[in-house]
Parts: sequence; structure tokens; C-alpha cells
Amino acid sequence: QVHLVESGGDVVQPGRSLRISCAASGFSFSDYAMHWVRQAPGKGLEWVTIISFDGKSQDYADSVKGRFTVSRDNSKDTVSLQMNDLKPEDTGVYYCAKGLSSYWSLSDYWGQGTLVIVSS
Amino acid sequence: EIVLTQSPDFQSVTPKEKITITCRASQSVGRSLHWYQQKPGQTPKLLISYASQPFSGVSSRFSGSGSGTDFTLTINGLEAEDAATYYCHQSSTFTFGQGTRLDIK
Repeated sequence: QVHLVESGGDVVQPGRSLRISCAASGFSFSDYAMHWVRQAPGKGLEWVTIISFDGKSQDYADSVKGRFTVSRDNSKDTVSLQMNDLKPEDTGVYYCAKGLSSYWSLSDYWGQGTLVIVSS
Repeated sequence: EIVLTQSPDFQSVTPKEKITITCRASQSVGRSLHWYQQKPGQTPKLLISYASQPFSGVSSRFSGSGSGTDFTLTINGLEAEDAATYYCHQSSTFTFGQGTRLDIK
């Protein structure tokens, strides 16, 4: 079955960078788009970014555009999120999620998440 | 940005009741509106895709309807395990509603 495992969450100071990753298994990773969605403590879901099956297309929420970069390695079945110039409002659990198709579509399976805390 | 507004924000219901949650989009999303369930301490789970298509393994007690800007999620025969927060989500430009927390008395 679909299995997504996020890693790399940490406590970082404002203005610093962090890279989180997601390892996928149980499906043909290179055939599907992948999302990152985050959730601040006690708050709702916020979509962050999507990357197409081949990594050639991405889209970002306005709140992270220019600071975050999504990438994928289809040879290793992993997707990563490079987060630069982090702000306290970036604090939350970051989920990676499998897309329903190769390009822009909803997500059907989610990982358990990795916690990012931005604090001085 | 397409804003999704859910109502109500919170509802407390008794078992076996029926509840309807609504989601209104600030502009048309066609049928690209989906529903997720997130139980406390758990990861979100897809319930309904494209307004009315139940996802694999989802109980028939869950159903969705709507198109354009107005959508509903209906849960029949509520059970204790349905206590969760429910989110609508549009995949035109990827935004979520604010969530509806459902409490089972």
C-alpha cells in the first residue's frame, strides 16, 4: 500500500534554512505528482506546493513563493522541500501527499508529517 | 485566490443523527471540490473526490454533492468514530476550507 515517510523536521531560528524530505513506497512514484501541505499547531490545513511527476513543473502558495523550493528524485522515490528565510509563521507539521495523477490534482494519501518549529 | 468557506465551524451531534456540512467557494471550481477527514492526532484522509465520488474504502454513510460554488458533505447515521475535523479542498488552485469540527455527544 502507499507509504509516505517524512523526515528532517527540526527547531530552527528565523531567517535560517531547513530541508525536509519524504520517502515514498508502495506505488509507482515517478507516475504521480506530489504535494506538501502544512498545519500550524491547532490550526487548519494549508497547501504549500505541488511538483509534477517529472519534476519539470511546480507551483507554490503565495505565502512561501520565492522562499521554498520543491524537488524530487525519481531514482530514489523521494521528494524534498528546501525552506529558506524561515519565519515563525512557517511553524507546523509538514505533510507530503501523493497526487491522484501526474499533474495538478487532489492528493489521495498523506504521510504522518514532520514537525518544523521556527523560533529564536 | 479561491477562498473556501465552510459552515458550521463546529457542531455537536448525537449518534445516529445526520449532519450536513457546506462549503462555498468564492468562484466556480466546477466539480474539483474534495472532502477530507482528520481525526485528532491523525493524518488527513480523503473521503470524497470531485464533489461526489467516494474514495476507496470510505463508508457509504458519507456522501457529497454540488458543483460550481456550493457543495455539501452529508454524514448519515453518525457514529462515535466520526468525531473529527472535516475540510473541503479545491484542486483548481489548491486551497482548503477552515474546517468543521464535529463532536459526537
